[in-house]
Amino acid sequence: GIQVEQSPPDLILQEGANSTLRCNFSDSVNNLQWFHQNPWGQLINLFYIPSGTKQNGRLSATTVATERYSLLYISSSQTTDSGVYFCAADFTGGGNKLTFGTGTQLKVEL
Amino acid sequence: SQTIHQWPATLVQPVGSPLSLECTVEGTSNPNLYWYRQAAGRGLQLLFYSVGIGQISSEVPQNLSASRPQDRQFILSSKKLLLSDSGFYLCAWSTKREPSYEQYFGPGTRLTVT
Repeated sequence: GIQVEQSPPDLILQEGANSTLRCNFSDSVNNLQWFHQNPWGQLINLFYIPSGTKQNGRLSATTVATERYSLLYISSSQTTDSGVYFCAADFTGGGNKLTFGTGTQLKVEL
Repeated sequence: SQTIHQWPATLVQPVGSPLSLECTVEGTSNPNLYWYRQAAGRGLQLLFYSVGIGQISSEVPQNLSASRPQDRQFILSSKKLLLSDSGFYLCAWSTKREPSYEQYFGPGTRLTVT
């Protein structure tokens, strides 16, 4: 069946470090989104990126649709970056419904 | 700009009691609407989605139901709650722009069934 897998499941960084989060998906997609879930549970949209590369401040994302993966880069991490990062895919023919990965729990320490 | 509201923010209900969670969207018309549940802090699961008034699709068999009485209102209900219904419920909306539609999430309702 269709699957979205994220790695690593947990990550601890020192403030100022860089990191790469990976999302693998099992089939072709119409939509690939990255979210940050803050400690209050709010899902914040980071990127809508079915293909290509986008940057927003210290964050950037790249999706290689032909190889079925997406990467989220966090540079110069800050304690406010802590939380869970999810990728979610709308698979082609899936009817505009997102399938979520299980997330990467990030903790940034001073 | 568009805004999505959910209420209540938190809810504690006894087993066997009814449930009604409400979601409304402002600043857009004819959106797609979605209900997700998140258990144990990870992994959101799609429960229901709607492309229009009165049009509901269920993704998983369960003790819950959904209704869309107005264009920008989506309600999640249960007649009798189970312990397993506890979780964090999130509503989302998207436009109908082809080929796919970026989804935006509300603040969520944290439900504890005791």
